Amino acid sequence: QKEVEQNSGPLSVPEGAIASLNCTYSDRGSQSFFWYRQYSGKSPELIMSIYSNGDKEDGRFTAQLNKASQYVSLLIRDSQPSDSATYLCAVSGGYNFNKFYFGSGTKLNVKP
Amino acid sequence: EADIYQTPRYLVIGTGKKITLECSQTMGHDKMYWYQQDPGMELHLIHYSYGVNSTEKGDLSSESTVSRIRTEHFPLTLESARPSHTSQYLCASSEVGAAFFGQGTRLTVV
Repeated sequence: QKEVEQNSGPLSVPEGAIASLNCTYSDRGSQSFFWYRQYSGKSPELIMSIYSNGDKEDGRFTAQLNKASQYVSLLIRDSQPSDSATYLCAVSGGYNFNKFYFGSGTKLNVKP
Repeated sequence: EADIYQTPRYLVIGTGKKITLECSQTMGHDKMYWYQQDPGMELHLIHYSYGVNSTEKGDLSSESTVSRIRTEHFPLTLESARPSHTSQYLCASSEVGAAFFGQGTRLTVV
C-alpha cells in the first residue's frame, strides 16, 4: 500500500468551474499536509498547507482535511487554463517525521 | 519561503564521468532532500539529511552518494554516470512545515 494515494487523472474541467482533487494517506499519525502544483518540466511549488481538521481557504484555493477518514482534498474555484498542471499531495510528521511522502499526482486540465 | 539553488540546471555528460550536482539553501533549514523524477512520473526520494553530518538513504535505491558538511550545502555525487541515471534531480529543504524545492537539474547521460 502506498503512503499517499491520488487519482492520476487527467481531470478535465471547463474554465470557471470548480476542480476537486482528492488524496488519502495511510499513516494515521501524520500531522502535516500539503498541496503542491507542478507544471510540466518544472519543480513542485507549494500552494497550500493544512495541519488541523476542517477547511483552510487561500484565494481561489480551499484545502480540506479529515484526519478520521485520512483524507485531504483541494478545491480550486473559478478554474483558469493557467491552473492546468499536476497537483501533488504530500504528508509528513508520521512515524518517520523527517520525511515527506508524496502522491503520484493528479493531472488537471482546464479547458477554455 | 526558502531560497534554494541548484546547479547546473542542465547537464549532458558522457558515460563513466563523475558528476556532482550542487544544492544550496540560504534559510538555515536543517532538513534537506534529494528526489529523482522522470518526465510525467512521481517523485522518488533518494537521499535525505536532518542535519550536519547526517545522511540517510531514501525509498528508491540509488547509486549516488551525498554529504552534509555544512547546513546550507547538500551535494549529490555520481561516481560513474550511466544512461540509466538520465533523469531530473530535485533538491528540497524544510524546517518545520513544508518542503521547498529548487529548480532542479536535468541530467542526460549519453
